[in-house]
Amino acid sequence: AQTVTQSQPEMSVQEAETVTLSCTYDTSESDYYLFWYKQPPSRQMILVIRQEAYKQQNATENRFSVNFQKAAKSFSLKISDSQLGDAAMYFCAYRRAVYISGNTGKLIFGQGTTLQVKP
Amino acid sequence: KAGVTQTPRYLIKTRGQQVTLSCSPISGHRSVSWYQQTPGQGLQFLFEYFSETQRNKGNFPGRFSGRQFSNSRSEMNVSTLELGDSALYLCASSPEGALGEKLFFGSGTQLSVL
Repeated sequence: AQTVTQSQPEMSVQEAETVTLSCTYDTSESDYYLFWYKQPPSRQMILVIRQEAYKQQNATENRFSVNFQKAAKSFSLKISDSQLGDAAMYFCAYRRAVYISGNTGKLIFGQGTTLQVKP
Repeated sequence: KAGVTQTPRYLIKTRGQQVTLSCSPISGHRSVSWYQQTPGQGLQFLFEYFSETQRNKGNFPGRFSGRQFSNSRSEMNVSTLELGDSALYLCASSPEGALGEKLFFGSGTQLSVL
């Protein structure tokens, strides 16, 4: 079974600085998707960035980028120029890329990292 | 387009009761998934519906059920509520339910069981 681990329950960063959130996962599959979701106090889960495992190039979305290390099964999120609005809980998630009969294509989430941004 | 709408936002029930939660997906989206979020267990997949058919189901007891209507709106039902069912229930929609698709989440229904 696939698992996702976020080892940092809480992180803090000074406004305008850079912070990296860690995520490791375990899978025997070669093709899959990885995601970072942000959950602010409003509770709505918002997709931050998505990575396809077969792509070697790291995904980037504005101030957000990932460091995807497939062999190490590591998928960290870097937030540059942190803003107060980045304060939230961040979840790393895994989803398989191929449907297998009787097996779900569910998102498998890590436990989350609470990010505090200090002014 | 309006986002994913979940109603109600908050619910308080007592043990043994049953509850129905509603989710209206983004217009045009045919796949709806449900997740349970608790401090102890984190986020866990409940089920996914596509074109009125349950396509996938998570590891939850039979007290948890759901359905999807022809307009893609979905409901989930929990019968014989237990204290442990207290959680935030999140609904997500996507156009076709393809594995790489972006999921759009609602703001959830916070259920408290007393």
